[in-house]
Amino acid sequence: EVQLVESGGGLVQPGGSLRLSCAVSGFTFSSHAMNWVRQAPGKGLEWVSSISGGATITFYADSVKGRFTIFRDNSKNTLYLQMNSLRADDTAVYYCAKETFRAFDSWGQGTLVTVSS
Amino acid sequence: EIVLTQSPGTLSLSPGQRATLSCRASQSVGSSFLAWYQQIPGQAPRLLMYGASSRATGIPDRFSGSGSGTDFTLTISRLEPEDFAVYFCQQYSDSPITFGQGTRLEIK
Repeated sequence: EVQLVESGGGLVQPGGSLRLSCAVSGFTFSSHAMNWVRQAPGKGLEWVSSISGGATITFYADSVKGRFTIFRDNSKNTLYLQMNSLRADDTAVYYCAKETFRAFDSWGQGTLVTVSS
Repeated sequence: EIVLTQSPGTLSLSPGQRATLSCRASQSVGSSFLAWYQQIPGQAPRLLMYGASSRATGIPDRFSGSGSGTDFTLTISRLEPEDFAVYFCQQYSDSPITFGQGTRLEIK
């Protein structure tokens, strides 16, 4: 069974940093691109970042470029999102999502990030 | 950036009825790289359709997708109680990946 479990969310002050993790199991992690998608409270879905299976290619939404870094450790079956210079509008539930045929076929349960003083 | 516009914003129907949800793109979505997701409040999204018309694993055949270019449709042939949720379309043809704003399907 495919499982994705996010962790690392919490309350952080504006300008602060946070690192999210997504531990996966049930599939060959290194064979799949992975993504982070966020959802602000009561809002729609916003793609944040993606990384190829071999970690050689990354993409970012303009809203997070230069502040967030996606990376992965294929030996630990874990995806990460390093978030720096956090702003109030980064407040959201962050989901990790597995990519197959370029669609997101499995999602974690999400972790809430709240940026507030 | 490809902007996806979903309509209607809210759809009120009864169990057993047919639901038709629309997703219109601001420019052509290449190779029909369009997906549909269902999200029940408090839960993560679930992939329903990919490639515009291919059902994801485990999705019942009352769900179907169609369209190409800039106009796409998700149809639910006979609504079940568990189908009342929010539906999002997504294009993954062009970077950045974008989602529609969602259609809320509610019980009438």
